[in-house]
Amino acid sequence: EDQVTQSPEALRLQEGESSSLNCSYTVSGLRGLFWYRQDPGKGPEFLFTLYSAGEEKEKERLKATLTKKESFLHITAPKPEDSATYLCAVQAGTNAGKSTFGDGTTLTVKP
Amino acid sequence: DTAVSQTPKYLVTQMGNDKSIKCEQNLGHDTMYWYKQDSKKFLKIMFSYNNKELIINETVPNRFSPKSPDKAHLNLHINSLELGDSAVYFCASSAQGTTNEKLFFGSGTQLSVL
Repeated sequence: EDQVTQSPEALRLQEGESSSLNCSYTVSGLRGLFWYRQDPGKGPEFLFTLYSAGEEKEKERLKATLTKKESFLHITAPKPEDSATYLCAVQAGTNAGKSTFGDGTTLTVKP
Repeated sequence: DTAVSQTPKYLVTQMGNDKSIKCEQNLGHDTMYWYKQDSKKFLKIMFSYNNKELIINETVPNRFSPKSPDKAHLNLHINSLELGDSAVYFCASSAQGTTNEKLFFGSGTQLSVL
């Protein structure tokens, strides 16, 4: 069974203090790893898809990386508006269209 | 225009009642999903439909019955509601339902069973 574990569960940063969120996964035949952002009272919003080890993607202050066992979401010089829950999800080759999610990391950035 | 919209936003009801949640997407996607998010933010897939055909049916009590009248709509009917059904239910869609497709989520329905 596909498994996704995210750490830490919660992360509190000062504005400008860079850090990383971790997503460890166990799947049979990874087809894609996804990062989503979820604000309170809203549905998850897509950020990135990573397909193979070594791949990196960037968007503003966020950078996602992928190895064979885990993914990192690096946040550089975060701002208060980056506060949200960040969710990691995987899709495996045997489960077309089915995303398995982790529990998420709730990020709070203080001004 | 909201891409994936679901109603109602909040649903408070008594144990034993029957309730429905409606979802509509205007993205032209072929596949729609229901996910359940518990109090710890864990999102778990319940069902998915591709062009009105059920393709994913996870281990969900048969009190939950999805219905897709057309590919733009996916409703969720829940019979005999239990306390443990309290959660946030998200509708989502993707272009074709194959792997490597990102999901577009609605804003969720918070169900509280008293």
